Amino acid sequence: DAGVIQSPRHEVTEMGQEVTLRCKPISGHNSLFWYRQTMMRGLELLIYFNNNVPIDDSGMPEDRFSAKMPNASFSTLKIQPSEPRDSAVYFCASTYPQGSRWAFFGQGTRLTVV
Amino acid sequence: DQQVKQNSPSLSVQEGRISILNCDYTNSMFDYFLWYKKYPAEGPTFLISISSIKDKNEDGRFTVFLNKSAKHLSLHIVPSQPGDSAVYFCAASSGTYKYIFGTGTRLKVLA
Repeated sequence: DAGVIQSPRHEVTEMGQEVTLRCKPISGHNSLFWYRQTMMRGLELLIYFNNNVPIDDSGMPEDRFSAKMPNASFSTLKIQPSEPRDSAVYFCASTYPQGSRWAFFGQGTRLTVV
Repeated sequence: DQQVKQNSPSLSVQEGRISILNCDYTNSMFDYFLWYKKYPAEGPTFLISISSIKDKNEDGRFTVFLNKSAKHLSLHIVPSQPGDSAVYFCAASSGTYKYIFGTGTRLKVLA
């Protein structure tokens, strides 16, 4: 199993630009999570999908952030326009309710907005 | 408002000794707790879990203790090894897959 795959691994962009982060969950997993890691706040849950449907987006910081899951094998997190304070590591994770109660994380995307 | 707190940002321990990482929570509805380990440039990986119906769970060198009355859990690593050097996150949920994470504790095991 390839695990959760995120791309790109690193992204450097200028303030005001659109940024799209991508995630391929583990095959068969029907729950997907986007997290953001910062030094000050640790790991914060941004949004949670179940069976491709957004269940809880209360962690999305503001309207500049949006996430989609068009099918069971792909999700995107988009920031438009990006700001320097969005600089962080963004993780995608997936799991399946019939199995473990913990999620499997991808390697993350380190975003730097200059 | 941090519902899950890891008050020690870092911890250094000598190889072979016990490492104790602490985590406090405020929400009495939390019923399942996890510990994740994270190496640099990698995603967090699941380490050990505990349900609120237990007060202890052991897996090899790793033991998690839960004190519900104090709303406190701890991870014990015995004996500590240099390969255990990583950031450790505790996380809690209340019957769902929505986990609240702490800010992490960086463990350094000195050879």
